[in-house]
Amino acid sequence: SQTIHQWPATLVQPVGSPLSLECTVEGTSNPNLYWYRQAAGRGLQLLFYSVGIGQISSEVPQNLSASRPQDRQFILSSKKLLLSDSGFYLCAWSVLGGNLNTEAFFGQGTRLTVV
Amino acid sequence: AQSVTQLDSQVPVFEEAPVELRCNYSSSVSVYLFWYVQYPNQGLQLLLKYLSGSTLVKGINGFEAEFNKSQTSFHLRKPSVHISDTAEYFCAVRRMDSSYKLIFGSGTRLLVRP
Repeated sequence: SQTIHQWPATLVQPVGSPLSLECTVEGTSNPNLYWYRQAAGRGLQLLFYSVGIGQISSEVPQNLSASRPQDRQFILSSKKLLLSDSGFYLCAWSVLGGNLNTEAFFGQGTRLTVV
Repeated sequence: AQSVTQLDSQVPVFEEAPVELRCNYSSSVSVYLFWYVQYPNQGLQLLLKYLSGSTLVKGINGFEAEFNKSQTSFHLRKPSVHISDTAEYFCAVRRMDSSYKLIFGSGTRLLVRP
């Protein structure tokens, strides 16, 4: 069966420090991969999605970047964190191509607090 | 571009009462529709999805939703809620064309009181 791993679960970082959040998927090949952010009291904002290795689509201009160095690995990064980067970050995957009607499967999330 | 509107940010309800969480969407093309639930500090879990066919969709935990194309709505219902249903609920859409994006609403917090 497929599983998605996301780490760390919680993270407290000072303003101006770098960030690296990692997400890996097991049990599937060529997944679509997504990074979402959930700010306090707000819904899920799509940050990045990827349909293949090295292919990244950015949804909103921001202080973050994403990379997909391997088929089932998706990394969210920042060179210098801002206070506004605080939030709950969720990685997700879905089936690539074929059945576009499939849902996305989510990791357990990373709670990032920038202080 | 498509969008999803969840009009109610919070819905308080007593245990064993019925509940409806509203979701409206906007899209220039046909879409697939989803409802997810999120418990505190956890990821999202799929409750149900509408792909085609019958407009009444049944999901897990006794939830169901009805797709109304003319009103572009996909409201979530449960005839009798439990304390354990307290959570955040998200409506989401994905275009039926080649888009891979899954767009979410702002969420509705269901608060079930004894």
